[in-house]
Amino acid sequence: GDSVTQMEGPVTLSEEAFLTINCTYTATGYPSLFWYVQYPGEGLQLLLKATKADDKGSNKGFEATYRKETTSFHLEKGSVQVSDSAVYFCALSESLGEKLTFGTGTRLTIIP
Amino acid sequence: GAVVSQHPSRVICKSGTSVKIECRSLDFQATTMFWYRQFPKQSLMLMATSNEGSKATYEQGVEKDKFLINHASLTLSTLTVTSAHPEDSSFYICSARDRVGYTFGSGTRLTVV
Repeated sequence: GDSVTQMEGPVTLSEEAFLTINCTYTATGYPSLFWYVQYPGEGLQLLLKATKADDKGSNKGFEATYRKETTSFHLEKGSVQVSDSAVYFCALSESLGEKLTFGTGTRLTIIP
Repeated sequence: GAVVSQHPSRVICKSGTSVKIECRSLDFQATTMFWYRQFPKQSLMLMATSNEGSKATYEQGVEKDKFLINHASLTLSTLTVTSAHPEDSSFYICSARDRVGYTFGSGTRLTVV
């Protein structure tokens, strides 16, 4: 079945540091890939997505590129801020609109 | 953008009682809703998929008689945890399929004492 393996946390960085959260996946077809963010006490919000190989999703300074050859969708940001502190989930769906399969989540804390 | 309102955000109940969690799509029609459960420090696990006007489809290992899902209208889906026990304590979150993908509710923290 489908699975998502995500870099374990927690991750603590200083403000303005470079961020990478690794995500790799296993799927039978050609899934759509997502990064969701969960701020304290809130539900999940879509951060970015990519629907086919070599697509790059980007939002709020975050980027992730759909790499079919390495089955990866690593999340990056060049300069993190305190407000980026949250839990980040990598996820996939075999077909857009179908159920999501999530990674375990990575808790990110940014210190001033 | 699309909004899904989930209530209650927190509930504490006694063992053996039932708890109902509601998810409403506020500005769009949600023909399909997904219900997830999140254990501490673990990921979201899909429990069931509900389609308006039909029976929910449960994932393997999820007791359908314990976790009752009703999706009676295009804007409302409910999850009822029947005869709750401490092991049912968890974070429950719904998600609705919208025009561009998925919109999540804010989640319900259930504590069974």
